[in-house]
Order: sequence, then structure tokens, then C-alpha cells
Amino acid sequence: AQTVTQSQPEMSVQEAETVTLSCTYDTSESDYYLFWYKQPPSRQMILVIRQEAYKQQNATENRFSVNFQKAAKSFSLKISDSQLGDAAMYFCALGQGGSEKLVFGKGTKLTVNP
Amino acid sequence: KAGVTQTPRYLIKTRGQQVTLSCSPISGHRSVSWYQQTPGQGLQFLFEYFSETQRNKGNFPGRFSGRQFSNSRSEMNVSTLELGDSALYLCASSFRDTIGSEQYFGPGTRLTVT
Repeated sequence: AQTVTQSQPEMSVQEAETVTLSCTYDTSESDYYLFWYKQPPSRQMILVIRQEAYKQQNATENRFSVNFQKAAKSFSLKISDSQLGDAAMYFCALGQGGSEKLVFGKGTKLTVNP
Repeated sequence: KAGVTQTPRYLIKTRGQQVTLSCSPISGHRSVSWYQQTPGQGLQFLFEYFSETQRNKGNFPGRFSGRQFSNSRSEMNVSTLELGDSALYLCASSFRDTIGSEQYFGPGTRLTVT
């Protein structure tokens, strides 16, 4: 069975600072993908970043980057220069090749303080 | 391109009734997945459709069903509603490129069962 664990229910960061959200996962598949999604309050889920398991290079999207440690099954999200608009629930998700099914973690609520 | 649309956005039903939710994927996307989001259980996969065929199903009772039409639009149906079915139901459409897939979520349908 595939599982995703986000051990930090809540995090806070000062505006312009950097924050790292943790995620660990478990899967027996060799072909899988990892995602971070952002869900602002009462707004829809947005894809933040995607990482293919076969890629060694960590994905980066502007201020968002990941630290993908395949052997440790760890997939953390770093947000640099945090902005007020980054405040949201962040979900780590695991998908496997050939299927659109995603397994989500419980989420981390990120608060950005001005 | 227009995003994923879901109708209705809000719904109030009573126990024992049935409900049908609709999802229109992004143009060109052939895969549609459904998720249930609750504060207690988080995001749980319901089912996935591709080219009118159910490819994957989550661990939900038979009261939950779905279908996909030839234009990729999808509906999900919940019969004999229970209080525990109150949730945000999210639809996601996806496409596959040469390196994997990405899912794009709709705004959700908030179902309240009284």
C-alpha cells in the first residue's frame, strides 16, 4: 500500500523568510511521482511542483523547490522569500506511473506572518 | 483554456436522498478523477475514469458510483446519503505527456447532508 505522511500539522513563517515542509512516503513501486499541492482557504487546489522518481535532480519552480531523497523516501518542500499569498494548506501527494490515482498526506497548514 | 468546472458548488441534502455531481474537465483532458475531502479523513480517492472506462476505484461503498461521457465530462452519484457523506468532493482532470501526468483540480462541490 502507498502511504504519505506529513508530520507537521501546522507551520508558520515570517514574510520574506524561508520555510521547509516535510513529507515522507512509502511505496513498493519503482515508477512513481511526487507532488506538492497548495489549497488556499476556500479556494481550489493548485499544483505547486512535481517530481518524477527517476529524476535525481530536484525540481524547482520559482520560489518553490524540493529536496527529494529517494533512499530515505523523503520529499520536502522549501519556500523561499515567503509571501502572504503563500498562506494555505499544503498537501504532499504520491502517484504511480500508469494511474492518475493520488495518495495524499494529511496536509500542513502554513501561516505567513507579516 | 478554461479550468475544471464542477456543478453545483454547494448542495444540501437529507439522509436517504441521492445526489449527482458533475465535472467538466479541461479541454483535451481525457482522464477524470474524483476525491472526497473531509477534516477527519483528509483527501481520499474515489475513482478514476479514462475514455468512459473506470480504471481505478478507491475503498468506498457501492453507494458511490460514477461515469464518464464521450466528451470526457464526468458525473458521480451517491445514493442513500448518510451524514458522513458530508464533504468537499473534488474532481481533477489530467493529461499525460512523455514524462508523466499532472492533475488539475476543480473548485469542488460542498455537500452537506442533514
